[in-house]
Amino acid sequence: QSMLTQPPSVSGAPGQRVTISCAGTSSNIGIGYDVHWYQQLPGTAPKLVLYGQSNRPSGVPDRFSGSKSGTSASLVITDLQAEDEADYYCQSYDSRLRLKLFGGGTKLTVL
Amino acid sequence: QVQLVQSGAEVGTPGASVNVACKASGHTFTTYFIHWVRQAPGQGLEWMGVINPSVGTTTYAQKFQGRITMTRDTSTTTVYMELSSLRSDDTAVYYCAIAKESVQYCYFDPWGQGTLVTVSS
Repeated sequence: QSMLTQPPSVSGAPGQRVTISCAGTSSNIGIGYDVHWYQQLPGTAPKLVLYGQSNRPSGVPDRFSGSKSGTSASLVITDLQAEDEADYYCQSYDSRLRLKLFGGGTKLTVL
Repeated sequence: QVQLVQSGAEVGTPGASVNVACKASGHTFTTYFIHWVRQAPGQGLEWMGVINPSVGTTTYAQKFQGRITMTRDTSTTTVYMELSSLRSDDTAVYYCAIAKESVQYCYFDPWGQGTLVTVSS
């Protein structure tokens, strides 16, 4: 059971905005460790889409943004596109467990 | 560009070991730590451990302590992950990934393409 909690699924129509939450605890996000986000298309390896809460790697559209507050973080995707349909994972570090921690993943469906 | 290419699919029997290779290219091999993450069928991502290619030191998740060994070969810029005493729930896709990290952060980019390990008698 992951200590980073994500909703199992979210959905939105093309052009809409969706938010994926990542709830942590005082031993990970709450203590100040950065949160990163990955997109995983079916049958492929995860791909980094945000690092350090809100920084986009080269090539990631500015429709992807993120934030962190307290013990939680969020990934926001605006102007939803069909190609955004994928699983999304948040990731941080947990000081109590001493390991890199992933959220359980959120399946984004574009209606 | 920085790239990780992994070895092909493996089938292991319960109790045996499996060794997955991850060849790095496009950067100085000793610059970045390389981590291993696995994903069971239909499940999420699970961090397994990390190797420092420069000196070969390793850190493993407690869950895998005693069953996992990570090594590296600097001459071929390849890291290896061996998992022993295989069980059926070790069936998963195993990924290697380069880490960008500091005291406050550690994120993975890029990732290898993944290696399917199937444990079956």
